[in-house]
This record gives sequence, C-alpha cells and structure tokens, in this order.
Amino acid sequence: DAGVTQSPTHLIKTRGQQVTLRCSPISGHKSVSWYQQVLGQGPQFIFQYYEKEERGRGNFPDRFSARQFPNYSSELNVNALLLGDSALYLCASLRGGQGTDTQYFGPGTRLTVL
Amino acid sequence: AQSVAQPEDQVNVAEGNPLTVKCTYSVSGNPYLFWYVQYPNRGLQFLLKYITGDNLVKGSYGFEAEFNKSQTSFHLKKPSALVSDSALYFCAVRDKNAGNMLTFGGGTRLMVKP
Repeated sequence: DAGVTQSPTHLIKTRGQQVTLRCSPISGHKSVSWYQQVLGQGPQFIFQYYEKEERGRGNFPDRFSARQFPNYSSELNVNALLLGDSALYLCASLRGGQGTDTQYFGPGTRLTVL
Repeated sequence: AQSVAQPEDQVNVAEGNPLTVKCTYSVSGNPYLFWYVQYPNRGLQFLLKYITGDNLVKGSYGFEAEFNKSQTSFHLKKPSALVSDSALYFCAVRDKNAGNMLTFGGGTRLMVKP
C-alpha cells in the first residue's frame, strides 16, 4: 500500500505570495493533520481534519487555512507569505478520530520564501 | 498545556553499545506517548507508542521505550546501536483532552560511530 504522499516536494516563493500544499493520506485513513517544522526544531501542529471537518487548530495566524476533500486528501494554504514561513510542511495520516491512532507522516514539502 | 523536553541536543555512542535518548513530558491527564525518527531531508518515521498497559514498549528496528509515570519520562533505548541508527529522534505527547494534536520535543541527534 502507498504511504502518505505530499506535493510538491520543494517550492520556492517570494514574500507576499500564496502557496497551496497537497496531501493524500494512506488508503482507508480518514483523518489528516498538518505540521510545520522549522529547521532545527520539532514539528508544530497547524490543523487536524477528520471526515472533512476541522477538529483542531494550532497557534497559527489566519493566513494559514486548510480543507479536506471527500476522498480524504487535503490542502494547506498559506497567504501573504513571510520569510518566517520557510519550513518543512508535514502531513500526517490517521485512520480515524481516535486519540490512540498513530500518525503516519509523509515526506514533507520544503517551502522556501525569499 | 502539554509539553515535551528532550534534554540532550546530541547523543554520541559507539556501534554495538547500548543507547538511551531521554524524554520527559508534562500533561494534565494520562498521556499518549510516541517516538519518531527523522533521516536527512525525510519525513518522520513512527517507532513506537505508549497508550496504556505494560510500561516497556517494544517498537521497530529493535528500539524500545520505558514509560515511568512517577518520573514523567519516556526514554528510548536500544541494546546495541548500529551506525544506521544515526538520525534525529523526536519524542511526542498527546493529551487525551487536546484532540489529536501531537506536541513534539526539540529533537535529539543520535550519532553512532563505528
């Protein structure tokens, strides 16, 4: 079975632009979480979606938004990019909404903001 | 608020020797605890988790972790280190009352020397 897939792998944008990152969860999984990992730090939680509904939001500005589609894939959007948004963006797939579920991570999208 | 501390930025060990990567946590209730490993330019790979039950949890690639409630610790261990174990290791905690959000530590770089 395929694991979590993310696209694109790398992305370079300039300040003020907008970006959309995409994630496809493991087949059969219905929940997706997004994390931001700044170089040298641990990942920080941005959003979690389950059955197309937002189930959690981290401490990120409203420039960050996300959605989940009927096929359980997800998009993360970031508007008005800042230099500080440069990071590895990780998507995690979960089977359902149970807290005991393991989160399986994709390879990430490396975003560079110039 | 929940938090995780990984007190060592780097751990050095000789190949064949036992290794320990330390993690302490703080949550308001009973914790769900996880260990992940990250290789360069890659996403996070799940190693093991503690949900309930036996305090010694066995995971992938020969790793295990010991849950100690009184010391609020969840140290990662391996009896005999391999050079290929060299990577960045993250401890994470999920508060049962905080949805599926994982809070990660800052990471510990493990260097195994031949």
